[in-house]
Amino acid sequence: DTEVTQTPKHLVMGMTNKKSLKCEQHMGHRAMYWYKQKAKKPPELMFVYSYEKLSINESVPSRFSPECPNSSLLNLHLHALQPEDSALYLCASSQDRAGTLHAEAFFGQGTRLTVV
Amino acid sequence: GENVEQHPSTLSVQEGDSAVIKCTYSDSASNYFPWYKQELGKRPQLIIDIRSNVGEKKDQRIAVTLNKTAKHFSLHITETQPEDSAVYFCAASRAPYQFYFGTGTSLTVIP
Repeated sequence: DTEVTQTPKHLVMGMTNKKSLKCEQHMGHRAMYWYKQKAKKPPELMFVYSYEKLSINESVPSRFSPECPNSSLLNLHLHALQPEDSALYLCASSQDRAGTLHAEAFFGQGTRLTVV
Repeated sequence: GENVEQHPSTLSVQEGDSAVIKCTYSDSASNYFPWYKQELGKRPQLIIDIRSNVGEKKDQRIAVTLNKTAKHFSLHITETQPEDSAVYFCAASRAPYQFYFGTGTSLTVIP
């Protein structure tokens, strides 16, 4: 199984809503990521979890709150978002092999978020 | 942080011709350089990667070259096919997990 599964695929939310994006992988990867991608732009790194601990936060506003309940799951909690937060949110995972600094990042299909 | 520049932003080639996409990076400590292909509405997928201890890597019609001194790396696609049409992103990484993407190249292969 080389899949990273994200739900939901599409989400429309108001600026006062609270919602969550979910990501799941069963490849045994110990690093999981959230990226934000605007149309015709590259993915921008938001958060990285390594062994269920937050290791990188790229100065993301607090209205985005990540959570890693276990090694297979990654959530992104959303609250009080702005219309400019509308984007494709991509989850990815990679293997953290001992002695290997880098490994391929597998991406999910993304959640297309629209904030109205 | 790392700054990755990618050129060209759009590229059109005739089917069967070659396509070359170039990237430069700023951080001399970067040592891992993946290339991702993203088709419209789909996820980015790794197509090839290269590490800093290697100058060139090839996988069938796809090759990547790396010049550490000049801090640039390139993607070469030979015998292009219509299904190669997509957006291609280069990336550079100096530490585990921190991938910095280039701005992307939209490749169109004309049948």
